[in-house]
Amino acid sequence: EDQVTQSPEALRLQEGESSSLNCSYTVSGLRGLFWYRQDPGKGPEFLFTLYSAGEEKEKERLKATLTKKESFLHITAPKPEDSATYLCAVQSSYITETSGSRLTFGEGTQLTVNP
Amino acid sequence: EPEVTQTPSHQVTQMGQEVILRCVPISNHLYFYWYRQILGQKVEFLVSFYNNEISEKSEIFDDQFSVERPDGSNFTLKIRSTKLEDSAMYFCASSEAPGGNYGYTFGSGTRLTVV
Repeated sequence: EDQVTQSPEALRLQEGESSSLNCSYTVSGLRGLFWYRQDPGKGPEFLFTLYSAGEEKEKERLKATLTKKESFLHITAPKPEDSATYLCAVQSSYITETSGSRLTFGEGTQLTVNP
Repeated sequence: EPEVTQTPSHQVTQMGQEVILRCVPISNHLYFYWYRQILGQKVEFLVSFYNNEISEKSEIFDDQFSVERPDGSNFTLKIRSTKLEDSAMYFCASSEAPGGNYGYTFGSGTRLTVV
């Protein structure tokens, strides 16, 4: 069974204070690891997909990295508008054109950035 | 930017009643999904749908649930005989492929409250 554990559960930063969020995973063959942002009362918003260990992707103040056991979401010089819950999800390598492609999500890290 | 549209945004129903949650996926997407999120818990996979049939379903998706694509644009989730524990945020998502660089696009959700 695929499992995703995110830490910390909550993180409070001052504006400009860089930090990292962790996502540890267990999956029977990793097809992809996804990072999403979720604002209160909204659906998850796609940020990144990572496929193999050593891969990195960047978007504005966010950078996601991947190892064989975990992924990090690095937030550089965050702003208050970066406040949200960040979700990590994994997808198993068992995919065909017609088979399922479920994402298994972690509990998320609730990030608050104070001005 | 294309988006997934869900209606209603909030539905309150009596225990034992049937509800239908509606979704309009992105028009060129072929794969459709339902996820749910109970308050304070992780996002959970319910079902994936491709080529007019269910391609994968989770243990949660029992005989109480059904999905349908009644026409070329809508995708619905029906919950028969609702229970209190069905209260949750239900998210529809769609994608071009079962895995990929663009993740899945989620709608803003329907908050279902069973009383």
